[in-house]
Amino acid sequence: QSVLTQAPSVSAAPGQKVTIFCSGSASNIGNNYIAWYQQFPGAAPKLLIYGDNKRPSGIPDRFSGSKSGTSATLGITGLQTGDEADYYCGTWDSSLSAGVFGGGTKLTVL
Amino acid sequence: EVQLLESGGGLVQPGGSLRLSCAASGFTFSIYAMSWVRQAPGKGLEWVSSINAGGDSTYYAHSVRGRFTISRDNSKNMLKLQMNSLRADDTAVYYCAQIRDDTPTPTFDYWGQGALVTVSS
Repeated sequence: QSVLTQAPSVSAAPGQKVTIFCSGSASNIGNNYIAWYQQFPGAAPKLLIYGDNKRPSGIPDRFSGSKSGTSATLGITGLQTGDEADYYCGTWDSSLSAGVFGGGTKLTVL
Repeated sequence: EVQLLESGGGLVQPGGSLRLSCAASGFTFSIYAMSWVRQAPGKGLEWVSSINAGGDSTYYAHSVRGRFTISRDNSKNMLKLQMNSLRADDTAVYYCAQIRDDTPTPTFDYWGQGALVTVSS
């Protein structure tokens, strides 16, 4: 059971927009910055969003992040088949003094 | 180019020990905090441990505290994870990750390719 909650899967058509949600609590998302990671099968995760809404160099602006209270969202616009991957939210939990992740959301681009 | 190369994975019996290493290059290793993150087969990501840049502050997940020890050798640009009393549920791919230095919340910027640890008799 993950500390952060994500829907197991989401799907959308090419060219459309999708939103992936991550729910937590005051001790994690509520008081720490959220990050989002993209992982393709058999590959290492890759940082997509950090500091709630910042993109590392090289990440296209089709990817965006936002946060409200104890929930965060990852938005992907102009969906491409190459975006099919698992997406994880992650942050620090101040009560646990531990890093925490969501269970991951598998994105299918139909 | 940042590179993180894990080594030391393999098959070990329950109760055994294993030491993972992560060779870092392409950045000033001594000024970055580092972490280990693992992923059990078919499962999600699990944070394991972190260490600050100087090596004098360490943090562990509850599931590994007392059994795993993270350390670093800044003179050799090397991160290590000593794993003792291994259990079947420690079976996972173990990733070495660099922590970004521009945010107060630990954020894993660059990741290695991973080392598979299998605990089985």
